[in-house]
Amino acid sequence: DTGVSQDPRHKITKRGQNVTFRCDPISEHNRLYWYRQTLGQGPEFLTYFQNEAQLEKSRLLSDRFSAERPKGSFSTLEIQRTEQGDSAMYLCASSLGPTFTDTQYFGPGTRLTVL
Amino acid sequence: RKEVEQDPGPFNVPEGATVAFNCTYSNSASQSFFWYRQDCRKEPKLLMSVYSSGNEDGRFTAQLNRASQYISLLIRDSKLSDSATYLCVVNSDYKLSFGAGTTVTVRA
Repeated sequence: DTGVSQDPRHKITKRGQNVTFRCDPISEHNRLYWYRQTLGQGPEFLTYFQNEAQLEKSRLLSDRFSAERPKGSFSTLEIQRTEQGDSAMYLCASSLGPTFTDTQYFGPGTRLTVL
Repeated sequence: RKEVEQDPGPFNVPEGATVAFNCTYSNSASQSFFWYRQDCRKEPKLLMSVYSSGNEDGRFTAQLNRASQYISLLIRDSKLSDSATYLCVVNSDYKLSFGAGTTVTVRA
């Protein structure tokens, strides 16, 4: 499968625990994006990378959230001290970049439930 | 105010019907526009890009009105498989802004 992959697909954790998600983009894609989606809403932008450089972070990304893309390939999103409000689907997308008409392809998402 | 506003529906239509819905966006500097389709508990998938001149892809027609900041999608000859949530998406500075989605259910 040459699409975007995410791991794990589901994560259940207790409030206060740390969690880390992984995203593997389509291999030749330079840009990688993280979004969060809650029930009944469209995805909301969190952050994006051009190769290994994190170019922008949303106000939604509190200091408990950190994302990395150390070698410009896969990326990780870590949430520290999880809260119930963090429960959501975390979506990763990738694109070739850098044109505005660039299509972003989404992975299947990681569904986080914080108890 | 949300960056992209959509009529949530639901639109419940019989097979073979035509259904149309739209969205508005607030950022006049937005550079590109898309419709994505999302099935229940799945990831969004690109349905089509939207161009100022209007464009068609099979049974789907999309229109963009930059002056009114308005995007539309029309589905002709609806199929059961068209049942999904349709997300209006606007690209501003490489970030996608999504509407909350319009739910379409096509019934037999």
